[in-house]
Amino acid sequence: EPEVTQTPSHQVTQMGQEVILRCVPISNHLYFYWYRQILGQKVEFLVSFYNNEISEKSEIFDDQFSVERPDGSNFTLKIRSTKLEDSAMYFCASSTSGRRTDTQYFGPGTRLTVL
Amino acid sequence: DAKTTQPNSMESNEEEPVHLPCNHSTISGTDYIHWYRQLPSQGPEYVIHGLTSNVNNRMASLAIAEDRKSSTLILHRATLRDAAVYYCILNNNDMRFGAGTRLTVKP
Repeated sequence: EPEVTQTPSHQVTQMGQEVILRCVPISNHLYFYWYRQILGQKVEFLVSFYNNEISEKSEIFDDQFSVERPDGSNFTLKIRSTKLEDSAMYFCASSTSGRRTDTQYFGPGTRLTVL
Repeated sequence: DAKTTQPNSMESNEEEPVHLPCNHSTISGTDYIHWYRQLPSQGPEYVIHGLTSNVNNRMASLAIAEDRKSSTLILHRATLRDAAVYYCILNNNDMRFGAGTRLTVKP
């Protein structure tokens, strides 16, 4: 069964450094998403992406964050200058379309630790 | 945005049915009711969704109230592997997760 993959599984970085989290969505999916989950808290929506553009973003997704689909398979989340509070699990998801009925398929996540 | 309310936690015995409730009194006519679950140390996983009629799949059943202001996810025979946080979400293009219900399954 096709699945969403994410790399790395764990990323440790120093505060102020840039990080890029990578995702490979399911191949025939057109909508891509990033979510984060701070330890012990709920899953929070960050951004949705379609047709090489951001469709929607939450208030969390500020100028420190950017997303890109650099080629036909990868979908990346960049954090320009990491802060301690960026430490969290980051989940990528994809769906065939953005319709209300569509299932989102989530990857296993990348644990980001900012020191 | 329409909101959902779920109990923080529930317990079940293995091999017994589990009924996980969700209230969504401000649901709009076009909102689909989605259920996802998150097993420990994993990403969320789709369980089931519906609009008005009850739905069944291999994982669970979804019972939707006639007025659509509430729904119930039914696991017919809970297993230890079903221990997870279950989220009831009114789908739009960006899913807003609440705190969910943490289901504990006792052997």
